[in-house]
Amino acid sequence: EVQLVESGGGLVQPGGSLRLSCAASGFTFSSPRMHWVRQAPGKGLVWVSRIASDGTPIAYAGSVKGRFTISRDNARSTVYLQMNSLRAEDTAVYHCACQIGGVVYWGRGTLVTVSS
Amino acid sequence: QAVVTQEPSLTVSPGGTVTLTCGSSTGAVTSGHWPYWFQQKPGRAPTTLIYDTSSKHSWTPARFSGSLLGGKAALTLSGAQPEDEADYYCLLSFSDDWVFGGGTKLTVL
Repeated sequence: EVQLVESGGGLVQPGGSLRLSCAASGFTFSSPRMHWVRQAPGKGLVWVSRIASDGTPIAYAGSVKGRFTISRDNARSTVYLQMNSLRAEDTAVYHCACQIGGVVYWGRGTLVTVSS
Repeated sequence: QAVVTQEPSLTVSPGGTVTLTCGSSTGAVTSGHWPYWFQQKPGRAPTTLIYDTSSKHSWTPARFSGSLLGGKAALTLSGAQPEDEADYYCLLSFSDDWVFGGGTKLTVL
């Protein structure tokens, strides 16, 4: 069974940093590309970033480019999202997701709240 | 970046049929956009209903189907059940980048 478990969320002040992790199991982690998707409270899904199976290429949504960095450790079956210079509008539940055989699998997400 | 549009809300009667659509600001949606449809219930992660326009996962109820219709991706629910009340999101791929629609809140009433 494919499982994705996010962690690392929390309350952070504007301008601060957080590092999210997503631990994967139930599949060959080194194969699929991995994504981060966020959902602000009461709002829709917004794609944030993706990383290919071997680490490149990488892509970011314009709203986070230059502030967020995605990476992966295939030996640990984990994908990361380093978030710097956080803003109030980054407040959201952050989900990791992967595509396997065309199907997208989702984690339950971790809540990031940016507030003073 | 492309904008993907969905109906903000729709209502269907129990047992009825409803079609949700997913359009693109760049023009007609095609199979090359690899359209996805996700269902999300309150407090839960999204789940994949439809991928690659019309393919179903093993857990997708038979009453859901995907297609291309009038230049848009479409999700048709035939024989709506109370448990189908949820938010539905489409996803289109543009050169490997994902763009989600704003979501459709489906009420079964």
